[in-house]
Amino acid sequence: AQSVSQHNHHVILSEAASLELGCNYSYGGTVNLFWYVQYPGQHLQLLLKYFSGDPLVKGIKGFEAEFIKSKFSFNLRKPSVQWSDTAEYFCAVNFPRGGADGLTFGKGTHLIIQP
Amino acid sequence: ETGVTQTPRHLVMGMTNKKSLKCEQHLGHNAMYWYKQSAKKPLELMFVYNFKEQTENNSVPSRFSPECPNSSHLFLHLHTLQPEDSALYLCASSHGRGTGELFFGEGSRLTVL
Repeated sequence: AQSVSQHNHHVILSEAASLELGCNYSYGGTVNLFWYVQYPGQHLQLLLKYFSGDPLVKGIKGFEAEFIKSKFSFNLRKPSVQWSDTAEYFCAVNFPRGGADGLTFGKGTHLIIQP
Repeated sequence: ETGVTQTPRHLVMGMTNKKSLKCEQHLGHNAMYWYKQSAKKPLELMFVYNFKEQTENNSVPSRFSPECPNSSHLFLHLHTLQPEDSALYLCASSHGRGTGELFFGEGSRLTVL
């Protein structure tokens, strides 16, 4: 079955630490990949996306992600986190479907940055 | 301001009540979605509408009844819900071109007593 897995459900880091959040999906064909972020009390918003081309994509607020097709992975990274990065991070995949654009999401990673 | 507006933001209802959630998008999109966000579970896609037509229903119980009168408005009618239906219900919209990029509202927090 098509699924999305996020390995870390809770991550606690200090400011200036480096971040990497894992995401894997199960599907052998072409997909579009996304990371969404949900800051406390706010709506889900797009952090970055991969459709095709350069497998290293850059998003907002210094985040980047690398698509490794052979590993079915799309890990999120940031070299130096800030307290304001405290949020819930969701990996999502657009598996081919007959309808529109319904995304399949991972369970999310709750990231806490300690000052 | 997200371009996708959901009302009400909070709703408390009894199991015998009938209520509705409303979603409106101001982005000119063609597709709209309902997702359910529960604690410790992935966001669950409930319904997909493309050009007002329902294209996906992911085995959602009939006590949830969606309605899409036009491409800008989406409703979720609720009746005889169960306490386990308490969750954050998210509406989203997209161009509907198959890219997968969704734009979300802030959600309606539903509590069923």
